[in-house]
Amino acid sequence: NAGVTQTPKFQVLKTGQSMTLQCAQDMNHEYMSWYRQDPGMGLRLIHYSVGAGITDQGEVPNGYNVSRSTTEDFPLRLLSAAPSQTSVYFCASSLGVTGTEAFFGQGTRLTVV
Amino acid sequence: AQSVTQPDIHITVSEGASLELRCNYSYGATPYLFWYVQSPGQGLQLLLKYFSGDTLVQGIKGFEAEFKRSQSSFNLRKPSVHWSDAAEYFCAVGPDDKIIFGKGTRLHILP
Repeated sequence: NAGVTQTPKFQVLKTGQSMTLQCAQDMNHEYMSWYRQDPGMGLRLIHYSVGAGITDQGEVPNGYNVSRSTTEDFPLRLLSAAPSQTSVYFCASSLGVTGTEAFFGQGTRLTVV
Repeated sequence: AQSVTQPDIHITVSEGASLELRCNYSYGATPYLFWYVQSPGQGLQLLLKYFSGDTLVQGIKGFEAEFKRSQSSFNLRKPSVHWSDAAEYFCAVGPDDKIIFGKGTRLHILP
């Protein structure tokens, strides 16, 4: 099983550029989420989805867009990258039954210069 | 609003010694509580979870955690740590669609 796959693993962007971080899961999970991890800040929820066609904002949504057209995929878009978006980004998925485990991808390390 | 506090940013213990990592939470209803571990350069792996029943929860790698509603705590314990336990540990509170994480505790192991 591939689990949760994130691409790319590393990315360097210039300020103002746009890009999409990809996330795919093959476990037929309904719930998917994006987090960013910064030193001393833990993981902060950016956006989440409880099923195809349904998305909502987390703690730190500004500067990011998401969509969920299929159960498998949950891309995260940076429309105009800023140095403050330099971070490690994690995608997670879970069955959606309360109390079940969230599975995490390996992360995308993004640097905005 | 739900929140998680991990008071210790760094903890250092000797190999073979016991370990307790602290976690306090704020949640308006019955909490769903998790402990995750992150090894360097890796994603997060679930150690254990609590959402009902026995307040002492057993997890993988010899870890356990105790839910204490009166203290709003969910501390992680291990009787004897191994060098391979060096990692960052995150406490989190659910539900599934909006899991909120603490800022993490980095565990260092002395040989």
